[in-house]
Amino acid sequence: GENVEQHPSTLSVQEGDSAVIKCTYSDSASNYFPWYKQELGKRPQLIIDIRSNVGEKKDQRIAVTLNKTAKHFSLHITETQPEDSAVYFCAASNDYKLSFGAGTTVTVRA
Amino acid sequence: DSGVTQTPKHLITATGQRVTLRCSPRSGDLSVYWYQQSLDQGLQFLIQYYNGEERAKGNILERFSAQQFPDLHSELNLSSLELGDSALYFCASSPGGSGPGNTIYFGEGSWLTVV
Repeated sequence: GENVEQHPSTLSVQEGDSAVIKCTYSDSASNYFPWYKQELGKRPQLIIDIRSNVGEKKDQRIAVTLNKTAKHFSLHITETQPEDSAVYFCAASNDYKLSFGAGTTVTVRA
Repeated sequence: DSGVTQTPKHLITATGQRVTLRCSPRSGDLSVYWYQQSLDQGLQFLIQYYNGEERAKGNILERFSAQQFPDLHSELNLSSLELGDSALYFCASSPGGSGPGNTIYFGEGSWLTVV
């Protein structure tokens, strides 16, 4: 089955700096890669996603990149703000099963 | 509000007992997913149903079972509960599968505490 690895497990950044989270996947059939943000005690919420036929996608301060050959994808958050503090999960899907990485706890220091 | 409804929100029960968690997917969604999230843990995929049929299975224990009914709501049954089953159980839904164009939306979760 699909195995998604996510790094780092924790990330502390100064407000205004950038944060980068990296994920790798194992199933070459995976074709969809969403990213979820989860605040403490709340449900995961989709923040951005990318399809396998796209190399990069941007939405305001958030961007995702995908390298299908290397089977890795990344989340980039620019100009971080305190409200960006949360746990971020990457995921990979092969149409049937959405597998998540272990999560990255991001802390933005004021 | 994601449109995915889960009940109960909180549940405390004793070891050895059985509980049922209920989920109503978003209107029009045919797929339902169940995930388990223990304290400081990631999202562990349990099982997926599509239009009433099991479609994918993850690390679901034999003590756990689930089903999706004709009206598309789903139930997750947890039996012979152990302390380690204490977790936040999420239900999620999507229009079809989990691929492109089928965004998965999560419910608020059901907090299960086994004492």
